[in-house]
Amino acid sequence: DTAVSQTPKYLVTQMGNDKSIKCEQNLGHDTMYWYKQDSKKFLKIMFSYNNKELIINETVPNRFSPKSPDKAHLNLHINSLELGDSAVYFCATSKPGQGANEQYFGPGTRLTVT
Amino acid sequence: GENVEQHPSTLSVQEGDSAVIKCTYSDSASNYFPWYKQELGKRPQLIIDIRSNVGEKKDQRIAVTLNKTAKHFSLHITETQPEDSAVYFCAATPTGTASKLTFGTGTRLQVTL
Repeated sequence: DTAVSQTPKYLVTQMGNDKSIKCEQNLGHDTMYWYKQDSKKFLKIMFSYNNKELIINETVPNRFSPKSPDKAHLNLHINSLELGDSAVYFCATSKPGQGANEQYFGPGTRLTVT
Repeated sequence: GENVEQHPSTLSVQEGDSAVIKCTYSDSASNYFPWYKQELGKRPQLIIDIRSNVGEKKDQRIAVTLNKTAKHFSLHITETQPEDSAVYFCAATPTGTASKLTFGTGTRLQVTL
């Protein structure tokens, strides 16, 4: 029944490791996003995909690589994790249409890099 | 690109009082302004939004106003209740980059009994 789901919910890992976060939506939306929320609660867009095509790629280190295998999934792979990558990562979706529309957020993945 | 400023960063009100959170944006092409509420440990959830073709929108105890000339928009919560305690984020997105929300820095609202 969950509209936007993420796995895992918590991820604790050591510096230098490679990890992936997965996002799945059952809303039938065309557009999916990754946001990063740091310890000060700043919420910033990282990537956006529309119909599996990358449309937004903010100034993010290329250690971060999104991948959309299909319209319902958007994964985030992070190489060579650093302490500063510790944050909550939110996936979100929005339906297509003219202009901007409501974005539906997933529950978040809290990543802790030690 | 778009820049959104939000004030205050923290706000404490007594139950039953009103709360007002203000945001300014920089890109005159922005045309969609949502407000999100984020409870502790939870996901951001849309509570109200406004588009540039209207100046005010209400939904029960919450309302949003938009002044396009001054590039200001505000969230008003009346008759606050303890369950209104949360972090509130404003956001804006310009025309043509429909998916790219720029968020304000958030306001932590505390409603005290």
